Amino acid sequence: DAGITQSPRYKITETGRQVTLMCHQTWSHSYMFWYRQDLGHGLRLIYYSAAADITDKGEVPDGYVVSRSKTENFPLTLESATRSQTSVYFCASSDTVYGNSPLHFGNGTRLTVT
Amino acid sequence: GEDVEQSLFLSVREGDSSVINCTYTDSSSTYLYWYKQEPGAGLQLLTYIFSNMDMKQDQRLTVLLNKKDKHLSLRIADTQTGDSAIYFCAERGSNYQLIWGAGTKLIIKP
Repeated sequence: DAGITQSPRYKITETGRQVTLMCHQTWSHSYMFWYRQDLGHGLRLIYYSAAADITDKGEVPDGYVVSRSKTENFPLTLESATRSQTSVYFCASSDTVYGNSPLHFGNGTRLTVT
Repeated sequence: GEDVEQSLFLSVREGDSSVINCTYTDSSSTYLYWYKQEPGAGLQLLTYIFSNMDMKQDQRLTVLLNKKDKHLSLRIADTQTGDSAIYFCAERGSNYQLIWGAGTKLIIKP
């Protein structure tokens, strides 16, 4: 199916563990983004990628690592999870960052760090 | 720095109009957006307005832009229960990234 899919939908992990959130898009969009959504903060950009092998930090990158070896995949890794990383994580893609090109969002991953 | 502000909640009666407000700081913004997030889902683009426009209408939705006051509003006419969602205002900032408001939760009363 065409679209952007995130996995898993829900994840519970312990403090200090490494966890990877997956994101896959079928549009061949150049740009991909990872956001976290926390009550009262809206969306905060963690990392983004303009193309395969090109990634850049967003507003809140500390504690996260990304890679983009293929255009369609953009995994987000929490190297050593902390309770402050409990959040809902959204992956998004877009064709461009110019003009009125919309972001297409996945349905999110709800991560709980205990 | 660049910032987008909006109220966290709005409660309206079914059938009334809803007006969700947003203020932004970056006067160089080219596009301003409204996204809708339904429960358990990601955000979807609802509508957008280019900065040289004052108003844009799309069926039940009306977007008003006051560039002087850096104020954006979204009016939903004849609000229905299906409009219950969180509405996010966003502007495209100087580095082409989107700057998001915190989201306004629209609550529909019967």
